[in-house]
Amino acid sequence: DADVTQTPRNRITKTGKRIMLECSQTKGHDRMYWYRQDPGLGLQLIYYSFDVKDINKGEISDGYSVSRQAQAKFSLSLESAIPNQTALYFCATSDFDGELFFGEGSRLTVL
Amino acid sequence: QQPVQSPQAVILREGEDAVINCSSSKALYSVHWYRQKHGEAPVFLMILLKGGEQKGHEKISASFNEKKQQSSLYLTASQLSYSGTYFCGTTGPAGGTSYGKLTFGQGTILTVHP
Repeated sequence: DADVTQTPRNRITKTGKRIMLECSQTKGHDRMYWYRQDPGLGLQLIYYSFDVKDINKGEISDGYSVSRQAQAKFSLSLESAIPNQTALYFCATSDFDGELFFGEGSRLTVL
Repeated sequence: QQPVQSPQAVILREGEDAVINCSSSKALYSVHWYRQKHGEAPVFLMILLKGGEQKGHEKISASFNEKKQQSSLYLTASQLSYSGTYFCGTTGPAGGTSYGKLTFGQGTILTVHP
């Protein structure tokens, strides 16, 4: 089993729909991250969490929300999806300033 | 604010060397380097910490100039498998707004031909 699991891997939805992307990890790390990747723009940080009670906004948090349900689970929600949120989304985990372990990515298309 | 990488793209023949640079306008605590193949997740290469500690793969080397807030990744005797997009990521010092917040550059596309 993968250390960092993202579901769903692919999702097509319509404008205005609520979408949740889920992430779970078996690394035992406290830190978890959500990144968005668009072609040519690299990886942009949406939200990050240092533990269950500590959640922080990243560079592009508008239009997104997160929930840290447990040390191992970190979900990303789009309350009302719009087409420019079409992207590849990555969840990642790390220990204190250690390497990031990425999930396989969730490809979201908003029509 | 994201770090800036240069060059944006590099084309090599097998066996040639390359250097990828990463610079920041803010004080840094750490610099991370990752490689991403098309359609896959980024893969860890190296971390360089303020104070000189390095953690990473033996065949990859990098430097970190704390005063200039710059890092360089050195790829020597390139192989076809080195092809991909290379990203640097940076975190700021404790007490600052970038502490623990890993922000990535826009990436450098490396292509190695036979």
